[in-house]
Amino acid sequence: GAVVSQHPSRVICKSGTSVKIECRSLDFQATTMFWYRQFPKKSLMLMATSNEGSKATYEQGVEKDKFLINHASLTLSTLTVTSAHPEDSSFYICSARDLWGEGPLSDYGYTFGSGTRLTVV
Amino acid sequence: EDQVTQSPEALRLQEGESSSLNCSYTVSGLRGLFWYRQDPGKGPEFLFTLYSAGEEKEKERLKATLTKKESFLHITAPKPEDSATYLCAVQANTDKLIFGTGTRLQVFP
Repeated sequence: GAVVSQHPSRVICKSGTSVKIECRSLDFQATTMFWYRQFPKKSLMLMATSNEGSKATYEQGVEKDKFLINHASLTLSTLTVTSAHPEDSSFYICSARDLWGEGPLSDYGYTFGSGTRLTVV
Repeated sequence: EDQVTQSPEALRLQEGESSSLNCSYTVSGLRGLFWYRQDPGKGPEFLFTLYSAGEEKEKERLKATLTKKESFLHITAPKPEDSATYLCAVQANTDKLIFGTGTRLQVFP
């Protein structure tokens, strides 16, 4: 099945520094990837839609200058948290849409990475 | 406004005690409804995609059904390893998924 690899799984950084999170589709090409943020015991909140070769589309209230997204190839999207602060500490998850099968038997789903636990100290 | 509501928020079951989780949705133009399982500290794991009312899909002890207003995830004779948070999400007229808040399931031996 489709696999999305996300790295790192955990990162601790100092306040004011930047952190980059990578999301790769391993066995399929993804023209569109999605970045989510999840707070403890809460559901996933979509931050932005990452489009290969073009600018990301950010959800209302998400600072695009703080959360930089780059989708340079069909298999890689990166999220950079710039000038991180303790309130940016969270669980960040990426996903990509994949299609399998053909015709009437085709099906699709959104495959998620394993997430990145960011702690800003 | 597109909205997804899941109930109950938490569910405790004895091993073997079957039950159902509910996902109610309000969306303009449903393109797909998705069920995911999420373990603590992990990303969501894909379970099912449902496209139209009346559709059903099964996988081991899980069965998902869909109507025009809601979806159910039926768990038959659950085992402790089925303990997880189950998330429902809908896709409307864009590629974005709208998630519910999830149901935390605990199955005790």
